[in-house]
Amino acid sequence: NAGVTQTPKFRVLKTGQSMTLLCAQDMNHEYMYWYRQDPGMGLRLIHYSVGEGTTAKGEVPDGYNVSRLKKQNFLLGLESAAPSQTSVYFCASSYYGTDPYPDYNEQFFGPGTRLTVL
Amino acid sequence: AQSVAQPEDQVNVAEGNPLTVKCTYSVSGNPYLFWYVQYPNRGLQFLLKYITGDNLVKGSYGFEAEFNKSQTSFHLKKPSALVSDSALYFCAVRGLTGGGNKLTFGTGTQLKVEL
Repeated sequence: NAGVTQTPKFRVLKTGQSMTLLCAQDMNHEYMYWYRQDPGMGLRLIHYSVGEGTTAKGEVPDGYNVSRLKKQNFLLGLESAAPSQTSVYFCASSYYGTDPYPDYNEQFFGPGTRLTVL
Repeated sequence: AQSVAQPEDQVNVAEGNPLTVKCTYSVSGNPYLFWYVQYPNRGLQFLLKYITGDNLVKGSYGFEAEFNKSQTSFHLKKPSALVSDSALYFCAVRGLTGGGNKLTFGTGTQLKVEL
């Protein structure tokens, strides 16, 4: 049981290049999330998904796109990278549990991807 | 919109002493609160959560948190700190709209436990 995994661990891009970050979870979780972590700003939600084939915008979605074609995978894309997107990116997943509070469960995080845009 | 504040960027404590990491929240309606810990170069790990019930919540690694509705606080505590507790701690509040069990995180508090 690997939990939440992220690929790659590190990446350096030049301004204007594109890339895709892959997140995979093997816990059969319904919900998946992409966050970015910047010093002094905590974690900010970029996009999230409540199920296969669905995505929604979070707090800071501009410049990013996502897809969730399979339940276990959640992809984060940068079409034209900018230096402001230099950050550590975390993927997380969560589950819909049992009553009386099925939708108040903890999130499980991946190890992160450190992205530098020059 | 909901928010959490962690007023201290860093907390220093001696090993064996009690520790407190502070968190205050702002939310319309019932608060659902979480604490996470992040060790260097790692993802966040869940420590504990408050949904309802007893105001003192016990979690992993000997941590506990006290929910105080009148002070809108959810402080993380441990009776006796260990050097291995040194890490970055995040408080978070669950969003009340839009579904998906979304969390809003504080800016984090760096805990340093010294011998």
